[in-house]
Amino acid sequence: GNSVTQMEGPVTLSEEAFLTINCTYTATGYPSLFWYVQYPGEGLQLLLKATKADDKGSNKGFEATYRKETTSFHLEKGSVQVSDSAVYFCALRGGNTPLVFGKGTRLSVIA
Amino acid sequence: DTEVTQTPKHLVMGMTNKKSLKCEQHMGHRAMYWYKQKAKKPPELMFVYSYEKLSINESVPSRFSPECPNSSLLNLHLHALQPEDSALYLCASSKLAGGNTDTQYFGPGTRLTVL
Repeated sequence: GNSVTQMEGPVTLSEEAFLTINCTYTATGYPSLFWYVQYPGEGLQLLLKATKADDKGSNKGFEATYRKETTSFHLEKGSVQVSDSAVYFCALRGGNTPLVFGKGTRLSVIA
Repeated sequence: DTEVTQTPKHLVMGMTNKKSLKCEQHMGHRAMYWYKQKAKKPPELMFVYSYEKLSINESVPSRFSPECPNSSLLNLHLHALQPEDSALYLCASSKLAGGNTDTQYFGPGTRLTVL
């Protein structure tokens, strides 16, 4: 079945540091890939998505590229801010199957 | 506008109470979802409604009863809950229930505490 594996946190970075959160997936066919962000005490917000190989999703300075050859969708940001502190979920949707989430990565950014 | 609203934001209930969670969207989406999220875990799918009909029930106990009165509203009726049911309950919607490009949008959640 479909599955998502993402690096487990917590990840602690200083402000303006470079961020990478790794995400790899297993799926049949051609799934769509998503990153959701959950700020403390809130619901999930869609951060970015990519629906086919080599697509790059981007939003708020975050980027992720759909790499079919490495089955990966790593999240990156060049310069993190304290306000980026949150939990980040990688997810995939394949065919008619429900959305499958990774376990989540908690990011803490310190000033 | 990609807004899904949920009420109430917080709910405390006893094990003998009956309460309901409400979810609303006005994006014209025809699929709506209930998820349960425990602390430090990803959301777990509970129910999926497609065109106002229940299409997926992930073996959820009968003390949780979903209802979709129309295409914009989704309710979750709660009765005789257990303390372990305390969690964040998230509603989501998407254009269609199937198709791998279908994107789900989540509400802010209801924080439920069962005493």
